[in-house]
Amino acid sequence: DGGITQSPKYLFRKEGQNVTLSCEQNLNHDAMYWYRQDPGQGLRLIYYSQIVNDFQKGDIAEGYSVSREKKESFPLTVTSAQKNPTAFYLCASSVKGEGSRISSYNIQYFGAGTRLSVL
Amino acid sequence: QQPVQSPQAVILREGEDAVINCSSSKALYSVHWYRQKHGEAPVFLMILLKGGEQKGHDKISASFNEKKQQSSLYLTASQLSYSGTYFCGTDSFHNAGGTSYGKLTFGQGTILTVHP
Repeated sequence: DGGITQSPKYLFRKEGQNVTLSCEQNLNHDAMYWYRQDPGQGLRLIYYSQIVNDFQKGDIAEGYSVSREKKESFPLTVTSAQKNPTAFYLCASSVKGEGSRISSYNIQYFGAGTRLSVL
Repeated sequence: QQPVQSPQAVILREGEDAVINCSSSKALYSVHWYRQKHGEAPVFLMILLKGGEQKGHDKISASFNEKKQQSSLYLTASQLSYSGTYFCGTDSFHNAGGTSYGKLTFGQGTILTVHP
């Protein structure tokens, strides 16, 4: 089955520790995204990547880092610089958002999420 | 800037209708609608593109007013399964050439509860 896999489902971080959230997709999508969701809030974009070896900061990139070495993988590292990391993290992927073909345009498919808490 | 959704919450009985609105301060390339059930991933419902094209599920309809930079999602004859939080996501114009950023900015969400 094609889809997006996030792991782990639950993650606990100690103070001063870096943790990495995994996101893998087998949909052959070019673009991948990381969002943060706080209780009762919408989704806020952390980083996104439209092609391998390239990525851009979203609205709340401070304290986070990413890499895009392979098309199917887009891991997110929550660094010790992120002082309030407790949130639900969602990874998504889409066909690269260009052109006007609505059948493929930037429809984002989400993983099941990782819930990160601070110990 | 984040699009603004209204209302913040809606409570319905099965079979009733609802409208959820999404308003942006930017010229929009497209509007996307997603539904998220508690603790789960958002699921795609509808995309509306500038110029009038749209694609989505059969039982859900939406409109996109490009001039007003607004979109509305219409839920008719609601079912219990419609309960959840609805998000609009907007993609705005990147440059004068008319291309988009290729990323979405999401509203704060509208909580829809359907009772029997």
